[in-house]
Amino acid sequence: QVLQQESGPGLVNPSETLSLTCTVSDGSIFSYHWSWIRQPPGQGLEWIGYIHYNGGTTYSPSLNSRVTISIDTSKSQFSLKLTSLTAADTAVYFCARGRSVFRLWGQGALVSVSA
Amino acid sequence: DIQMTQSPSSLSASVGDRVTITCQASQDITNYLNWYQQKPGKAPKLLIYDASNLETGVPSRFSGSGSGTYFTFTISSLQPEDIATYSCQQFGDLPRTFGQGTKVEIK
Repeated sequence: QVLQQESGPGLVNPSETLSLTCTVSDGSIFSYHWSWIRQPPGQGLEWIGYIHYNGGTTYSPSLNSRVTISIDTSKSQFSLKLTSLTAADTAVYFCARGRSVFRLWGQGALVSVSA
Repeated sequence: DIQMTQSPSSLSASVGDRVTITCQASQDITNYLNWYQQKPGKAPKLLIYDASNLETGVPSRFSGSGSGTYFTFTISSLQPEDIATYSCQQFGDLPRTFGQGTKVEIK
């Protein structure tokens, strides 16, 4: 699998921070933008933001105040941090390659926010 | 944000039927539209990009058309393995937005 997602924490307490990492296994981290996309249970997909290998980021305005996407090219990894979690953040989180057309996806990580 | 309105939200059709899904954008996105297929518990898979271009390796029974604000996605002859949810996604502007999806089932 070219995009290998960590399983993630599974269950997170409200108000805490979510951290997820995606590893790019084919050496292409310098060739593309890298995105995070999420999908609440039974709902549609929601784009979170993307990052370029030079560190430049673009975020969804609805999450901009709580999200940070970072990249570590030495490890071929990019990461998502989402703070101040609520139940509305419960979703499957996907990493994906691209900023406009998402041709390659990670397997997804389910994160549930609950006390 | 550009709103993507997909219809229907679900449909049931017989094997061999022609299936059409529509996606309407709240503003002009020229041809900056993609279609994805998602099976339960799996990540989405790109089928169509730039409104009408078939992704490499995708069967030719899948097609897309449209421009501006109105787009269609067609399965020319529904197969059992096509059971999935199909979603449109625009990249005409930020933030990127998706339709709510159309669940396709076999009658």
